[in-house]
Amino acid sequence: RKEVEQDPGPFNVPEGATVAFNCTYSNSASQSFFWYRQDCRKEPKLLMSVYSSGNEDGRFTAQLNRASQYISLLIRDSKLSDSATYLCGFTGGGNKLTFGTGTQLKVEL
Amino acid sequence: DADVTQTPRNRITKTGKRIMLECSQTKGHDRMYWYRQDPGLGLRLIYYSFDVKDINKGEISDGYSVSRQAQAKFSLSLESAIPNQTALYFCATSDPRFGYGYTFGSGTRLTVV
Repeated sequence: RKEVEQDPGPFNVPEGATVAFNCTYSNSASQSFFWYRQDCRKEPKLLMSVYSSGNEDGRFTAQLNRASQYISLLIRDSKLSDSATYLCGFTGGGNKLTFGTGTQLKVEL
Repeated sequence: DADVTQTPRNRITKTGKRIMLECSQTKGHDRMYWYRQDPGLGLRLIYYSFDVKDINKGEISDGYSVSRQAQAKFSLSLESAIPNQTALYFCATSDPRFGYGYTFGSGTRLTVV
């Protein structure tokens, strides 16, 4: 099993739709989890941390399922500006971040 | 000014040449990292440093070396560049006092011909 897996997409959704991505990880000792947003040819930017109890930031909701070893990102009321690649990241050994390959989202009119 | 600055932004170099990518940060973070990003392969860790006297290899360190000149500076060198080192390179910093999320530099696009 790969250390981290993400569906590369692309997810093509209409503006206003709700879309969800998952990211599975294999290291059960992982402790910290994150979602990053990356625009084309730009650096990844931290979108939100993922907490065990789940957390929300405006239209974005992140959840962690330790039993099934995955995190999720839900985007409600999608905007054109949400079009980007979304990377999951988690800390494994040594508190270094391991990243998924990213899920591409395209929000269309 | 950006919190994490990488130079150069773009570089084309020839096979066999030695090249240095530089990274400096104003965030006061102890931890610094170098990643490369390739299509379909995601971000892969090359080297990391948890303080000035600490240097560690990541998953793909062969062909690369680093220098931590100061808390704020972390340079990546390609000893003898080869075409499969063509990639987008990112420097990042973190500080466990503020969680483990990274701040990335804007990247260096390196092409080896």
